[in-house]
Amino acid sequence: AQKITQTQPGMFVQEKEAVTLDCTYDTSDPSYGLFWYKQPSSGEMIFLIYQGSYDQQNATEGRYSLNFQKARKSANLVISASQLGDSAMYFCAMRDPLEGGATNKLIFGTGTLLAVQP
Amino acid sequence: NAGVMQNPRHLVRRRGQEARLRCSPMKGHSHVYWYRQLPEEGLKFMVYLQKENIIDESGMPKERFSAEFPKEGPSILRIQQVVRGDSAAYFCASSPLPSGTGANVLTFGAGSRLTVL
Repeated sequence: AQKITQTQPGMFVQEKEAVTLDCTYDTSDPSYGLFWYKQPSSGEMIFLIYQGSYDQQNATEGRYSLNFQKARKSANLVISASQLGDSAMYFCAMRDPLEGGATNKLIFGTGTLLAVQP
Repeated sequence: NAGVMQNPRHLVRRRGQEARLRCSPMKGHSHVYWYRQLPEEGLKFMVYLQKENIIDESGMPKERFSAEFPKEGPSILRIQQVVRGDSAAYFCASSPLPSGTGANVLTFGAGSRLTVL
């Protein structure tokens, strides 16, 4: 069975510093996709970044980058130049394959609460 | 360009009542997913639907919970005879036809927060 693990319940970072949020995964499927979502205190889920298992390069989206280490089965999110508005819950997720068909069903980790300090 | 619309945003029910949560997917999206988020936890998959068809309901509790996505109108998540443990945020997400690969991203609604008294 597929599994996503986020071992950091909470993190602090100073404004303008970079921070890495950890995510490890377990799957026997050779083809998979990894996602990061942000959930601010208002509650909505905001898509941040995606990494495919066959992608040659690490994904980047603005200040977000994904440190993808396939052999270690890790997909850590790096946020550069943290801003106060980055304070939120961050969830790592993996696409869960549907037997016999394609799906966008995701399984989520337990999340990391990031607090950016001025 | 409306995103995924969920209503109500907040719902309060007494034990034993019924809760109905509605979800209108993004324009052009024909696939809907429901997730539940208990307090202080991550999102847990409940059910995946296409129009008039349940594809995967492996995360749905066996009793009291049902979901539909009719040909016309929004998807509905229905919880009968609610109990305090049903208090949670219920998120709907939609996507276009899934390919199983690529950044075929789920777009989430803002969630419906159910409180059972």
